[in-house]
Amino acid sequence: DVKVTQSSRYLVKRTGEKVFLECVQDMDHENMFWYRQDPGLGLRLIYFSYDVKMKEKGDIPEGYSVSREKKERFSLILESASTNQTSMYLCASSFGDRGNYGYTFGSGTRLTVV
Amino acid sequence: GDSVTQMEGPVTLSEEACLTINCTYTATGYPSLFWYVQYPGEGLQLLLKATKADDKGSNKGFEATYRKETTSFHLEKGSVQVSDSAVYFCALSGGSGAGSYQLTFGKGTKLSVIP
Repeated sequence: DVKVTQSSRYLVKRTGEKVFLECVQDMDHENMFWYRQDPGLGLRLIYFSYDVKMKEKGDIPEGYSVSREKKERFSLILESASTNQTSMYLCASSFGDRGNYGYTFGSGTRLTVV
Repeated sequence: GDSVTQMEGPVTLSEEACLTINCTYTATGYPSLFWYVQYPGEGLQLLLKATKADDKGSNKGFEATYRKETTSFHLEKGSVQVSDSAVYFCALSGGSGAGSYQLTFGKGTKLSVIP
């Protein structure tokens, strides 16, 4: 069964910490995405990548960075965590350049910053 | 740019009731349309999709028809179960957005089914 795996389901971090959220897919997909999900705001795109070492800003990149050193792994980095980054983070991947196949999502990481 | 508008929730139904969640879209070109479902505490799962006008996607008793003339993709089910309680997202791809491979999501509709 094809999968997108996020390394942690729940994380609690302190304000100011550097936080790494890891995402791995086993489908050889070119495209990978990071979203955050908050009540009433739906899904908001943080960053995406369409190839190894390539990255593009989404709608809300401030306070985040990403790394894609290998095709299967896409990491989201919170350089200095703040309480307003408490959220559900969702990773997704997709195949091809038309999006007709949709996304495959991971199970999500619920991050709490205290 | 592309956009997806879906009915505000929450929606509460009794078991075996009929479900319709409205979804309309704005896009140029010929987008593909999707419905995703998110069960509590989980990520999103693809429920069904349609890639061209008049196509009907179906899965687990849910259906949606791609209506280009009304730019709609309404989700329907004839008889809901408690296990259908979840958040449902309408989405499109392949439109005129920043990347045609990106999905544009609606804000989601929470469905609660009571016994």
